[in-house]
Amino acid sequence: DQQVKQNSPSLSVQEGRISILNCDYTNSMFDYFLWYKKYPAEGPTFLISISSIKDKNEDGRFTVFLNKSAKHLSLHIVPSQPGDSAVYFCAASLRGTYKYIFGTGTRLKVLA
Amino acid sequence: KAGVTQTPRYLIKTRGQQVTLSCSPISGHRSVSWYQQTPGQGLQFLFEYFSETQRNKGNFPGRFSGRQFSNSRSEMNVSTLELGDSALYLCASSYAYEQYFGPGTRLTVT
Repeated sequence: DQQVKQNSPSLSVQEGRISILNCDYTNSMFDYFLWYKKYPAEGPTFLISISSIKDKNEDGRFTVFLNKSAKHLSLHIVPSQPGDSAVYFCAASLRGTYKYIFGTGTRLKVLA
Repeated sequence: KAGVTQTPRYLIKTRGQQVTLSCSPISGHRSVSWYQQTPGQGLQFLFEYFSETQRNKGNFPGRFSGRQFSNSRSEMNVSTLELGDSALYLCASSYAYEQYFGPGTRLTVT
C-alpha cells in the first residue's frame, strides 16, 4: 500500500518556466512533509519542508503548497534552471514518529 | 560540518552471503535512519535508531538488522543475501525533522 504517491514519473519543462511536481498521500495522520532532490550517484538532498499547520512555505525559487483536504502537496520551482534536472521525492512523516514515507519520485528535466 | 558518510560505496556479494554497511552521521545528530532504494520503488524505510535504540521499523524481513553505537555511528546487516537485495542503501541522520542523506552504498548480489 503506497501511502505517498507521485503519479508522474517524469516531467519536462523549458528553462525559465515553472515546474510543478505533485504528490498525493492517503494517511491523514501525516503532519510533516518534505521534498528532496536527488542527482545520480548521490544521496537525496533536502530542499524544503512544510508542517500540516501551514498551507504554503517558500524558500527562494522553491515553494511548497499543502492542501490537507485533498491530501495533496506540490512543489513549484520558478524559474526552472537546467541544474534543477534531477529526481524529486516527496516524503511524509507520521505524527509523533520520525518514520518517513517516501514517494517513488518524479524525474524533472529542464530543457535549455 | 562534515556530511553523512557511508562505507563502502560499492559492494558485490553472492547469494547466501551476509553484508555489513556502515554509516557515520553528522556530528551532533542522534537519529540515524536506513532506506533501500530500488528502481520504481522509491525509498523504502528500513529502520531508525536513536540513542542506540531502534525507534521505528519498516516492513522488511528479519534478515535486515541494524544497530547504533554510543557515538551515533550505525551499521546495517543483511544476512543470507538474495538477488532482490541488490539496491542502493541510504543512510540519513537528523537532529530535528529534516533528514540529511549520505551518498549510499550500492550493493549488487550475484
